[in-house]
Amino acid sequence: NAGVTQTPKFQVLKTGQSMTLQCAQDMNHEYMSWYRQDPGMGLRLIHYSVGAGITDQGEVPNGYNVSRSTTEDFPLRLLSAAPSQTSVYFCASSYSSFSTDIVEAFFGQGTRLTVV
Amino acid sequence: AQSVTQLDSQVPVFEEAPVELRCNYSSSVSVYLFWYVQYPNQGLQLLLKYLSGSTLVKGINGFEAEFNKSQTSFHLRKPSVHISDTAEYFCAVRGGGKLIFGQGTELSVKP
Repeated sequence: NAGVTQTPKFQVLKTGQSMTLQCAQDMNHEYMSWYRQDPGMGLRLIHYSVGAGITDQGEVPNGYNVSRSTTEDFPLRLLSAAPSQTSVYFCASSYSSFSTDIVEAFFGQGTRLTVV
Repeated sequence: AQSVTQLDSQVPVFEEAPVELRCNYSSSVSVYLFWYVQYPNQGLQLLLKYLSGSTLVKGINGFEAEFNKSQTSFHLRKPSVHISDTAEYFCAVRGGGKLIFGQGTELSVKP
């Protein structure tokens, strides 16, 4: 099983450039999320989606856009990269049960982004 | 709003010693709690989860956690650690279709 696939694994951008981090899952999960991981700050939620066509902001959404046109894909777009966006980015997908809105999240292997 | 606080940023311990990683939560709704582990240069892997039922939850690799509602805690424990347990551990609480993570605890197991 592929699970959650993130591409690319590594990326170096120049300040002001734009790019899209790709995330795809093959588990038919409803929920998908993007996090960034910085030393000493844990994982901070950027954007999330509870289903195709539905997205919402997390705690650090500025500088990032998302869309969810299909259940499988949840790309994260950096519109104009800044050095403060240097981080490791993780995509996660989750399923829900009847009685809870999230049971377990599955994570991709991460994208290490450096903005110079 | 839901939140979690991991009380220790780093925990050094000798091999075969017991360990406890502390997590306190804040939630105004039904509580669902998770512990994840991240090995170096890898993604996160679920260790265990509390959704309901018994307050003592057993997970993979010999870890267990106890949900304590009165103290709003969900501490992770292992009676005897191994070098291979060296990793970063994250506590998380669910709410509104998303997981909210703590800052992480680096567990360093020394020989």
